[in-house]
Amino acid sequence: QVQLQESGPGLVKPSETLSLTCTVSGGSINSYYWSWIRQAPGKGLEWIGYISYGVLTNYNPSLKSRVTMSVDTSKNQFSLNLSSVTAADTAVYYCASTRASGGHYHYYMDVWGRGTTVTVSS
Amino acid sequence: QSLLTQSPSASGTPGQRVTISCSGSSSNIGRNTVNWYQQLPGAAPKLLIYTNNQRPSGVPERFSGSKSGTSASLAISGLQSEDEADYYCAAWDDSLNAHYVFGTGTKVTVL
Repeated sequence: QVQLQESGPGLVKPSETLSLTCTVSGGSINSYYWSWIRQAPGKGLEWIGYISYGVLTNYNPSLKSRVTMSVDTSKNQFSLNLSSVTAADTAVYYCASTRASGGHYHYYMDVWGRGTTVTVSS
Repeated sequence: QSLLTQSPSASGTPGQRVTISCSGSSSNIGRNTVNWYQQLPGAAPKLLIYTNNQRPSGVPERFSGSKSGTSASLAISGLQSEDEADYYCAAWDDSLNAHYVFGTGTKVTVL
């Protein structure tokens, strides 16, 4: 069973870049798609995007201009960069392994990390 | 940005059957499969149902999913106290700006 662990700074200043890493254990990063999801305090889930083992990416249109995802196969890790952050980006950020087939006919996150809290504040 | 609409809350006593609905459109539920996630208090979400009605290994049979047209439902039969959680439906949206969309979430309370 794949396990995921998010890591990164818990506090980011406004206008700076939020950078998070997700370490994959129990499986190869070449085997799945990998997604990021966030949840603002007291709010619902928001999909940020995914990166595939072939380095194909797909981002939420509302965040697309600020999001970059990458994969480091040597470390079995994938990463999220979110630029020009504001207080609205304060949230718990989750990484998840993702199954996709038939285009996106079948698309779901089957294993989630525990999440990491990121606060945007000066 | 598209969203899937869920009723904010649902409740039942232990042993009852509770149903949660999820309303979408032709570009998401009407075109792609639906998934359900359970989020226990203070925990990360967990995949509960995928591809409309499939349960991952370890998910109790009392959880079942269905889809019809542009709507989907999650049923919990034989409600238990440990089922008190937030439930989210989700599906891929094939509109001009394709993306994955979550429902607004339903809080299930066990009375």
